[in-house]
Amino acid sequence: KNEVEQSPQNLTAQEGEFITINCSYSVGISALHWLQQHPGGGIVSLFMLSSGKKKHGRLIATINIQEKHSSLHITASHPRDSAVYICAVSLSGTSGSRLTFGEGTQLTVNP
Amino acid sequence: KAGVTQTPRYLIKTRGQQVTLSCSPISGHRSVSWYQQTPGQGLQFLFEYFSETQRNKGNFPGRFSGRQFSNSRSEMNVSTLELGDSALYLCASSYGDRGYEQYFGPGTRLTVT
Repeated sequence: KNEVEQSPQNLTAQEGEFITINCSYSVGISALHWLQQHPGGGIVSLFMLSSGKKKHGRLIATINIQEKHSSLHITASHPRDSAVYICAVSLSGTSGSRLTFGEGTQLTVNP
Repeated sequence: KAGVTQTPRYLIKTRGQQVTLSCSPISGHRSVSWYQQTPGQGLQFLFEYFSETQRNKGNFPGRFSGRQFSNSRSEMNVSTLELGDSALYLCASSYGDRGYEQYFGPGTRLTVT
């Protein structure tokens, strides 16, 4: 069993829909990261959070430490949101910036 | 500020050769981490350097090595290349060694034939 699991693996939505991607982890963490990867490979950090909720534009990330679960929400989805979304964690008790990754969620938003 | 840069962006090598990839972090960032991404294994941590010292190492064979220079630029080297080393190699920089957001470079796509 992977330490970080995401669902769904693939998601297709129509423009304007509300989207939720889930991430569960089985280890102690100091922070959870949501990343976005477009075709071509470049990765952009969307959020880093250790508690509560963060919002940036149409993106919202939440984390429940007790349940070891995080969600990434996209409101009013747009075709430009099409990308792979990756959940990653920084393990607690370890020094450094090492990340452990989920397998990613391929999101396709159709016009 | 300029972002994280990686050179070269694309590379084709033959089995048995060695390769050196370079990563220049964001100015002021002292931590550089390296990751390998393949379709089968996803993203995996290779190693991390902070202030010229290797802080963490992932579960990769000794053919994979790296170093960091005093200006925080980092290089990774893969010796005796194997077909399975074909991958996208990403580096990420952060200000400190813990609890800071990571900024990723565009990656180097290595193909081993």
